[in-house]
Order: sequence, then structure tokens, then C-alpha cells
Amino acid sequence: ETGVTQTPRHLVMGMTNKKSLKCEQHLGHNAMYWYKQSAKKPLELMFVYNFKEQTENNSVPSRFSPECPNSSHLFLHLHTLQPEDSALYLCASSQESENNGYTFGSGTRLTVV
Amino acid sequence: GQQVMQIPQYQHVQEGEDFTTYCNSSTTLSNIQWYKQRPGGHPVFLIQLVKSGEVKKQKRLTFQFGEAKKNSSLHITATQTTDVGTYFCAGPRDSNYQLIWGAGTKLIIKP
Repeated sequence: ETGVTQTPRHLVMGMTNKKSLKCEQHLGHNAMYWYKQSAKKPLELMFVYNFKEQTENNSVPSRFSPECPNSSHLFLHLHTLQPEDSALYLCASSQESENNGYTFGSGTRLTVV
Repeated sequence: GQQVMQIPQYQHVQEGEDFTTYCNSSTTLSNIQWYKQRPGGHPVFLIQLVKSGEVKKQKRLTFQFGEAKKNSSLHITATQTTDVGTYFCAGPRDSNYQLIWGAGTKLIIKP
């Protein structure tokens, strides 16, 4: 348990489905992130929330929709995904005033069929 | 734009041999961070270097930050099977302090 909990661990969804990924952090951090990790590609930052406010949307397609209801919870809503969206989706948190790095969750392995 | 390059992409070593990965930034960094991701796992923060020329050690791991604060290295002495994984460096973007990630170096232990 890292202090950042992601659910589900694995998800298989059809291209017409709607699903949501959930992330919860118990570390009191003020920033939360969604990253996409595909095979043979660097970590891709998708969204950043700082004090619940979205501060970055890294040109992510609208079929990915983030939600941050409070500083401890982060969601990624998925709809009409494409097979190329299959990847490991990682949530992370950090305390921007400190230098202790990012704490990642275990990730959701998403397969779009 | 601002980039962080990491080499090599893969390194195959015999158990007991040393391993080194290098990280180079296109701009001066305020700090550099290193992470390890085990196969099937998630990135785990290892260390942050802040000062020019800084060297830090964690058991068999030695981390260096260059004098110009544009490059860094991670050296593992006498690798063990537990060292297997991908090692990432990351540095903060100038504009908003979000991390820019290297592509990672995958350490593979030859059977």
C-alpha cells in the first residue's frame, strides 16, 4: 500500500462503454495527477489538479474526462475509447511545497476491445 | 521544448556486474528525481538531488547531479536480481514545475 489507492486494478471495456477510474490519496498531498503509460513510451502526463483546481490538461482527447471533488480523490471518466487507449493509467500525488517526489498508485491496466 | 533524454534504453548485465543510466536535460534543472519501476509495478520515488555536483548513495546505488545541473547518473554496483526494473529520471519544467520524464532505462539481468 503506497498511500495512493487506485481502483480497479484491471479493466476491460468495449469502445461504446462508459467507465470510471478512481484514485484516493491518504497522504495530505495538495496535487494529484493522471499519467498514461504505454509500452515503449515515456510516461505521459494527462491532467494535473492542485488544491482541487485543474492546472493542466495536456492536450488529452475529450473521451477522457477528469474529476476532482476534493483534494483526496481523483476520477478519470472514460467513454467511447479506442483500442490505442489501452495502457496502464497511473495516479500520483505530491506535496508541491516539499521535495519528496511523487507517490504513485498501483495503476489501472486498461484494455479497450 | 524542454526535454529530458535518458540512455541507454536497455542494459543487459550479468548478475554481479555494474549498471549505469544517464540523464541529460536540454535546460538547467532546479532538481532531478529518480524513480524505479519493477516489472508489473508502478514507479517508486528513490531520491531527489538539488545541489550542483551533488552525490548521494543508497547502499549499492550512487546518484550524481552534474555541476551544470543539466545531467545526472545512477550507478548500481554489483547488480542483484532485485535490481531488475526500469529506472526513470525526471526534472521539473521551467514554467510550472511539473515533471518532465526521461524514457527510462530497463535493467535486465542475463540468466
